[in-house]
Amino acid sequence: TQLLEQSPQFLSIQEGENLTVYCNSSSVFSSLQWYRQEPGEGPVLLVTVVTGGEVKKLKRLTFQFGDARKDSSLHITAAQPGDTGLYLCAGARNSGYALNFGKGTSLLVTP
Amino acid sequence: DSGVTQTPKHLITATGQRVTLRCSPRSGDLSVYWYQQSLDQGLQFLIQYYNGEERAKGNILERFSAQQFPDLHSELNLSSLELGDSALYFCASSALLGSNTGELFFGEGSRLTVL
Repeated sequence: TQLLEQSPQFLSIQEGENLTVYCNSSSVFSSLQWYRQEPGEGPVLLVTVVTGGEVKKLKRLTFQFGDARKDSSLHITAAQPGDTGLYLCAGARNSGYALNFGKGTSLLVTP
Repeated sequence: DSGVTQTPKHLITATGQRVTLRCSPRSGDLSVYWYQQSLDQGLQFLIQYYNGEERAKGNILERFSAQQFPDLHSELNLSSLELGDSALYFCASSALLGSNTGELFFGEGSRLTVL
């Protein structure tokens, strides 16, 4: 059983479109992180959200942590081909515990 | 460049064999994590070491073992290999004991193919 469920699994859109990917769980997390992974490379951290209801913006990317700290979303505005990659959410239930990752959303943005 | 170095990048071996994957963490990072990534299971946490001591275990098989040496580099040993062990194995390091708020820095991975 996957602790973190991500949806959709695959997303193919055209440049300029907006999109939202979701990360859901029945467990409460002390914090949640989003990573992006490109082919042949390891995941790279995009953001960490800690407080329930928190919203963080990173240029065209907006991250939200659910009020109950069980879910999160990533919204990309005006997607670009450079946004193509695998987006992974990861959470740890308690301080000092290792991160558990979702299976990821594979995003393809075509020109 | 994350600063985490993994070797080898690619490895092809036969069922029943044993391999060792090596990881050098980022300079100054005391925590090392091993993850296995496959298409069907995603990124699965295997084991964590902090300053030479095992701190947490995830879905690590008994055929697998790991250790962290005094110079903080780590090795993941995979034995009696099966076809299903074919995957990408990532090492990550962090400065903190826990990874829930601190950033994990990942290496480029070791791709293991078992034939």
